[in-house]
This record gives sequence, structure tokens and C-alpha cells, in this order.
Amino acid sequence: DAGVIQSPRHEVTEMGQEVTLRCKPISGHNSLFWYRQTMMRGLELLIYFNNNVPIDDSGMPEDRFSAKMPNASFSTLKIQPSEPRDSAVYFCAGGKGGNTEAFFGQGTRLTVV
Amino acid sequence: GIQVEQSPPDLILQEGANSTLRCNFSDSVNNLQWFHQNPWGQLINLFYIPSGTKQNGRLSATTVATERYSLLYISSSQTTDSGVYFCAVPQGGSEKLVFGKGMKLTVNP
Repeated sequence: DAGVIQSPRHEVTEMGQEVTLRCKPISGHNSLFWYRQTMMRGLELLIYFNNNVPIDDSGMPEDRFSAKMPNASFSTLKIQPSEPRDSAVYFCAGGKGGNTEAFFGQGTRLTVV
Repeated sequence: GIQVEQSPPDLILQEGANSTLRCNFSDSVNNLQWFHQNPWGQLINLFYIPSGTKQNGRLSATTVATERYSLLYISSSQTTDSGVYFCAVPQGGSEKLVFGKGMKLTVNP
């Protein structure tokens, strides 16, 4: 298995633009997580899904952020409009659910200028 | 919510030295993971260790769930061990992993 696949690996965009980050989880993993890593706040959970249903989105910073999981093999995290403070590394992770081991993708480094 | 504390925050070693990293958590857990974030930013799974001891080559980990801590041992360190080590535990009864702030390890040749 190729592991959790994220795209793009790097994204540079101008303030105000829409940004979409993509994630393909490992086949058979029914939990999917979106994390953000910054120097100030470390690794923090934004949202997680179980069987494609959002379970906890309390970490989503504001309405500019939205996430979807239309099927078991794809998820998106969208920021509209983007702001410089959104600059961070965004990780997607997956697991088999029920507090089993979580595996992370390589991350998307987002820079908003 | 659950608190996760890692110590020491930074460590500099010479190649070949041994080290012990500690992770304390504030509530009982049924899952604990150790990760290594390499200099390229990848989060690599080291151990999934809710309790007991596991070994993988030069690395081993022990979790004492009743006392709310876990230890990661690195023996005969190599320069490739450099990076940041994180421990993570689930929040309450959810699958949400809460991470410590990490421990930055630098291994010099």
C-alpha cells in the first residue's frame, strides 16, 4: 500500500484565494483526520471523520475552513478565503478506527502571502 | 482535555550515545503512539504501545498506563535519528490524538 497520499505537497497562494488540500487514505481505513502543524501551536486536530461522517470538527478554526469526505477514498480540506495566518503544514492521517494506530501522510506545506 | 508533556524539550548527543525520552499524560489512556518527525517533515510511526514494552532494533518503548507515562529509549544513536519525537494519546473516549510539544533530538557525528 502506498500509504496516505496528500496533494499538493507544497502550495503558495495569495491572500484571499481559495485553497483545496486533498487526501487519499489507506484502503480499509475508516477513520480520517486532518491536522495542522505550526510552530506556535504544534500539532492540532482540525476535524475527523469516521465512515465518511464528520465526528468532531471542534478544531476547525473558523468558517473559512471546511472539510468533506464524499467517499471512503477521498477527502478535501478547503480554506476560503485564505489568510497569511493559515500558513502551516497540514497533515491527513487515517486509521482503522476505535483508537487503533494512526498513519500520517507526508503533509502539505501551505504558504499564504 | 488531556495534557501531554514531553521531556526533555531538546537533546544533543554524540553519535553512539544512548537516550531516554519521557512522555507524561494527565489521564488514563488506552492508546499511545510515538512518532519521529524527520528533517523533511515526515511523521513516521515508531510505536503503538498502549501498555508494556516493545522493541524495534535500536529503539524500544515502555508504557506504564497505571502511572500515566511512557518512555522511548534510543540506543547507539545515529545521525539519522535526528529530528523531533512526539508522543500522542487519545482525548477522552474519542479517536482524537492529542500530541505533546515534541522533543528535538540532534545527533552529531
